[in-house]
Amino acid sequence: AQSVTQLGSHVSVSEGALVLLRCNYSSSVPPYLFWYVQYPNQGLQLLLKYTSAATLVKGINGFEAEFKKSETSFHLTKPSAHMSDAAEYFCAVIRSGGSYIPTFGRGTSLIVHP
Amino acid sequence: NAGVTQTPKFQVLKTGQSMTLQCAQDMNHNSMYWYRQDPGMGLRLIYYSASEGTTDKGEVPDGYNVSRLKKQNFLLGLESAAPSQTSVYFCASSQQGRNTEAFFGQGTRLTVV
Repeated sequence: AQSVTQLGSHVSVSEGALVLLRCNYSSSVPPYLFWYVQYPNQGLQLLLKYTSAATLVKGINGFEAEFKKSETSFHLTKPSAHMSDAAEYFCAVIRSGGSYIPTFGRGTSLIVHP
Repeated sequence: NAGVTQTPKFQVLKTGQSMTLQCAQDMNHNSMYWYRQDPGMGLRLIYYSASEGTTDKGEVPDGYNVSRLKKQNFLLGLESAAPSQTSVYFCASSQQGRNTEAFFGQGTRLTVV
C-alpha cells in the first residue's frame, strides 16, 4: 500500500531562515503527492501537488517541493520563513486500487521564532 | 463559497451518549471522507464514501457508523461514546481521481467525559 513518512514531528526555525520539511513515499508506481497546511483551529488546505508534469512544484505562500524519484522524496521548502508560516504541515498520497483515498503522514509542526 | 461545512464545531458528550456529526459539501463531489485527528497520529480514516448510497470502512471504524443518503451529505454517528473517541473530526470531499485534492471542513472538536 502506498504511504508517506514525514521525518520530524516538530521543526523550529528563525524568521527569515530556510524552511525544510521532509516527506518520503513508498510506492511501486509513480505516486501523486500533496502537501497540505493546517493553521490553528482550522481544516487542512492544499499547498501544492505533484502530478508528474514537472519535478519542481510551486505552491501558495512561497512554498515549493521537489519530486526526487531516486530518493523517493517530496520535501517541502521555503527560502525565508515568516511568522505566519507557523502551522501543521501534512504530506499525503492518493492510495492506489481505484478508491483514490487520500492517505496522510503524521504531520510536522513548524515553529517560527522571531 | 461554502465548500465543506461541518456541524457542530464543538461538542461535549457523556460516556454512553450517542450523537451524529453532520457534513455537507456544495462542490458536487462524488467522494467523501471522515477522518479523526489525534496528537502525533496525523489523520486517520474512519469511513469513506465513493458515491451516494455506498460507504466503506477505513482504518479506525469501530464505534462509528455512517450514512450517505444524499450526494451532498455524509453523516458520522457515534453509537455509544467512549473517552477514546475524544478527538477532532474532519470531513473532506473530492472528485475521484489520483491527482485530485481533498477539500476539508473546519472540524468538530469532540470531548467525551
